[in-house]
Amino acid sequence: DTEVTQTPKHLVMGMTNKKSLKCEQHMGHRAMYWYKQKAKKPPELMFVYSYEKLSINESVPSRFSPECPNSSLLNLHLHALQPEDSALYLCASSQVGTGKGGSPLHFGNGTRLTVT
Amino acid sequence: DAKTTQPNSMESNEEEPVHLPCNHSTISGTDYIHWYRQLPSQGPEYVIHGLTSNVNNRMASLAIAEDRKSSTLILHRATLRDAAVYYCILRDSGYALNFGKGTSLLVTP
Repeated sequence: DTEVTQTPKHLVMGMTNKKSLKCEQHMGHRAMYWYKQKAKKPPELMFVYSYEKLSINESVPSRFSPECPNSSLLNLHLHALQPEDSALYLCASSQVGTGKGGSPLHFGNGTRLTVT
Repeated sequence: DAKTTQPNSMESNEEEPVHLPCNHSTISGTDYIHWYRQLPSQGPEYVIHGLTSNVNNRMASLAIAEDRKSSTLILHRATLRDAAVYYCILRDSGYALNFGKGTSLLVTP
C-alpha cells in the first residue's frame, strides 16, 4: 500500500469520451506531480503543482488538463485522447520549501489507461 | 538537466551484496543524487538520496565519489523482492525529477 492513492486503477475510454483521473494524499505535501509511463520506458514528467498552483507544464497537449482543487487532491481531466495516449499515469507528492531538491517523491501505483 | 549513465541490466545472486553504479560527470554543485526503484506493476519507490556525503538508511547505502561525478547504490543483501528497475536521478533545487533509463536488476535464487 502507498500513501498516495490513485483512482481508478484501470480505465478504458473511447476517443470521444471525457474522463478524469484522481490522486489523493494526506501527508501534508504541497507539491504534486503527474507522470506518464509507456510500457518498458521510464516515467515522463507531465505537470507539477506547488501550493495548488501549476508550476511546471512539460509541453503537454491540451487534451490533458490538470487540476489541483486543494492541497490533498490532484485531478487529471482527459478529453479527445488518442490511442497512443494509452499508458500508466502516475501521481506523486513531495514536501516543498528550501532544500526541496532533496525532498523525496512519494508515488502512487498509477492508473492504467487504455484508449480505444 | 544533468544526465546520468547506468548499465542497462545487472544480475545478482540472492543474499549477496549488490553495487549499482551511476555516472554523472556533469553534476552541478546544487544537484542532489536520488535513487528510486520500480517493482513490476507498481509506481516508483524512493530508495535514498544524498548531496555530498555517504548515506545509509534501512533500505540501502549510497556511496558518493569525492568529486561527485559518480555514485553507487549498495543493497547489502539482495532478496528476490529487490528485483526491479533502479533509477539514478539528479535533482536540482527545482521540483522536476526526470527519470533516465535505469538499471534492471535481476536477482536469482
